[in-house]
Amino acid sequence: QKEVEQDPGPLSVPEGAIVSLNCTYSNSAFQYFMWYRQYSRKGPELLMYTYSSGNKEDGRFTAQVDKSSKYISLFIRDSQPSDSATYLCAMSGNYGQNFVFGPGTRLSVLP
Amino acid sequence: ETGVTQTPRHLVMGMTNKKSLKCEQHLGHNAMYWYKQSAKKPLELMFVYNFKEQTENNSVPSRFSPECPNSSHLFLHLHTLQPEDSALYLCASSQESRAGDYGYTFGSGTRLTVV
Repeated sequence: QKEVEQDPGPLSVPEGAIVSLNCTYSNSAFQYFMWYRQYSRKGPELLMYTYSSGNKEDGRFTAQVDKSSKYISLFIRDSQPSDSATYLCAMSGNYGQNFVFGPGTRLSVLP
Repeated sequence: ETGVTQTPRHLVMGMTNKKSLKCEQHLGHNAMYWYKQSAKKPLELMFVYNFKEQTENNSVPSRFSPECPNSSHLFLHLHTLQPEDSALYLCASSQESRAGDYGYTFGSGTRLTVV
């Protein structure tokens, strides 16, 4: 079993849709969770960071962690064509160290 | 210039060539990383430097040789590569104790093609 799994997509949605991106993991020691967005021909950029379980909201983005199910999600409301990118989840059991990345989900938001 | 800068953006090299990738950060971070990104695969951590000292080497073949002369610069020296080494090589930096709050800052990467 891979340490972090993520649906590779591609996922295509119409503009304005609610998007749900998900990662599952196997290591119960993970407690730091991040979402990165990577545009084509660019490096990943940090989008959201959460610690332990619960929800965190930032504008149109909500990150959700369910440690009991070893499952994290990123929700994008009112999706825009500018949200078209690859989304990577990353997680760690040690503060700031040894983050493990998922393979990424490619999202296309169609105008 | 701010952020993490990587040069060159694209590199095509033969299997017998020697080349180097360069990374520079102007963020005052003290940890720097090399990652390999291949299509549909997770980012693979290659090397970690904290305060210029290499603290991690994830079983990377010796044809990849890192160098960190100071906390702002990181190099990846390449020699006798294989076609399967073709990938996007990403450099990242972080304030070691704060990566859990602010994550890594990545450069735009060097797209390497080995022919």
